[in-house]
Amino acid sequence: DSGVTQTPKHLITATGQRVTLRCSPRSGDLSVYWYQQSLDQGLQFLIQYYNGEERAKGNILERFSAQQFPDLHSELNLSSLELGDSALYFCASSLGTSGNTIYFGEGSWLTVV
Amino acid sequence: SQQGEEDPQALSIQEGENATMNCSYKTSINNLQWYRQNSGRGLVHLILIRSNEREKHSGRLRVTLDTSKKSSSLLITASRAADTASYFCATGGSNYKLTFGKGTLLTVNP
Repeated sequence: DSGVTQTPKHLITATGQRVTLRCSPRSGDLSVYWYQQSLDQGLQFLIQYYNGEERAKGNILERFSAQQFPDLHSELNLSSLELGDSALYFCASSLGTSGNTIYFGEGSWLTVV
Repeated sequence: SQQGEEDPQALSIQEGENATMNCSYKTSINNLQWYRQNSGRGLVHLILIRSNEREKHSGRLRVTLDTSKKSSSLLITASRAADTASYFCATGGSNYKLTFGKGTLLTVNP
C-alpha cells in the first residue's frame, strides 16, 4: 500500500459526460501528480500541483482540469468525454518536488462508452 | 514522448534465474526511478537512484546507473513467479515530472 488513495477505482460513463477523479496523497506529501496510462500512449504525465499551486503541466487536454485543495487532496475533472479518454488514471504524490520518490495510487479505471 | 526506453520489451525466464532489464534515456537527469506494475494495477516504487550514484541495492534488486552512457539497468536475482509484472524506468530532470518508458514485460515461469 503506497498510501495514495484514489476513488473511484472503476468508472463507466458515456461520451460527452463529465467525471471527477479524486486523490488523497500520502500523509505529509505536498506534491500531487496526475498521469494517464493507455495502451497506445503509455504513461503520460498530465499535471502536477505543489501545496495547492500548479507546478508543471504535461499532455493535459483542455477538456481536462485539476486542482489541489487546502487539505492537499486533488481532483481531476474530465469533461466532454470521448472514447479515446478511456484509460487508467493515476494519482501520485511526493514530499517535495523534483528529486523525491514519487508514490502512485492504484489508479482509476475510466471506460467511456 | 518517452524519455526512457526499456530493453527488452519482453523477457521470459525460469524461476530462480536472474532477470536484467535495461533503460536508456536521452537528456540529463537528476534521478531515475524504477517501478513495477502488475497487470492493470498500480505502480509500485522499487528504487530511486540519483545522478551522482552508480549502484543501489534493495533486497533482490540491484540498480546501476551510468550517466555517461545515459543508461540504467535493473537486476532481479533469484526470480520468483510473483515477480511477473511490467517494469518501468522513469527519469526525473530539473522539472517536476517523471517521464516513463514503455516498460519491460517480465514473465517468470514456475
